Amino acid sequence: KNEVEQSPQNLTAQEGEFITINCSYSVGISALHWLQQHPGGGIVSLFMLSSGKKKHGRLIATINIQEKHSSLHITASHPRDSAVYICAVRGGVYGNKLVFGAGTILRVKS
Amino acid sequence: NAGVTQTPKFQVLKTGQSMTLQCAQDMNHEYMSWYRQDPGMGLRLIHYSVGAGITDQGEVPNGYNVSRSTTEDFPLRLLSAAPSQTSVYFCASRLDPNTEAFFGQGTRLTVV
Repeated sequence: KNEVEQSPQNLTAQEGEFITINCSYSVGISALHWLQQHPGGGIVSLFMLSSGKKKHGRLIATINIQEKHSSLHITASHPRDSAVYICAVRGGVYGNKLVFGAGTILRVKS
Repeated sequence: NAGVTQTPKFQVLKTGQSMTLQCAQDMNHEYMSWYRQDPGMGLRLIHYSVGAGITDQGEVPNGYNVSRSTTEDFPLRLLSAAPSQTSVYFCASRLDPNTEAFFGQGTRLTVV
């Protein structure tokens, strides 16, 4: 069982739909990262958050420290959003290391 | 700035061969790490370094070696390749533990 659980594993959406990807973890942390990986490509950092909410363009990330849960929302989804979205946590028992979820594969159809 | 540069992008090795995956960053980051990415699993930490001359093992270090002689470079050596080392390898760097991570483009390694 992964220490960092993401759901769903796979997600197919129609262009324009509102998308939510979830990340749950089991122990106290200092921060949570959301990352994006395009097919055949490298990994890009989207957000790093310790509390509350962050927004960048059509992407919104929220975290609830008490419930040990984070969500990544994509508004007005577009085919170019198709990618693997990965969450990672650090802090607490993990120290400075990043511990990763298995990723959510998102496909947005036009 | 080039960011994090990894070479090669693709490599095929025969069982028992050795090779070095190169990783360089030009952001003066202290923290550098090597991960492997396998289907259905999150990235797993192989080795990491918190500064020049300092390295430590991660979650899956067996069969791999690292060194950090300069701040910029953090090569990963496969000592005697095995099919179980077929994977995609990523190098990453951070300025410090509390900042975002920057990743290289990845190396797809196949061991036959």
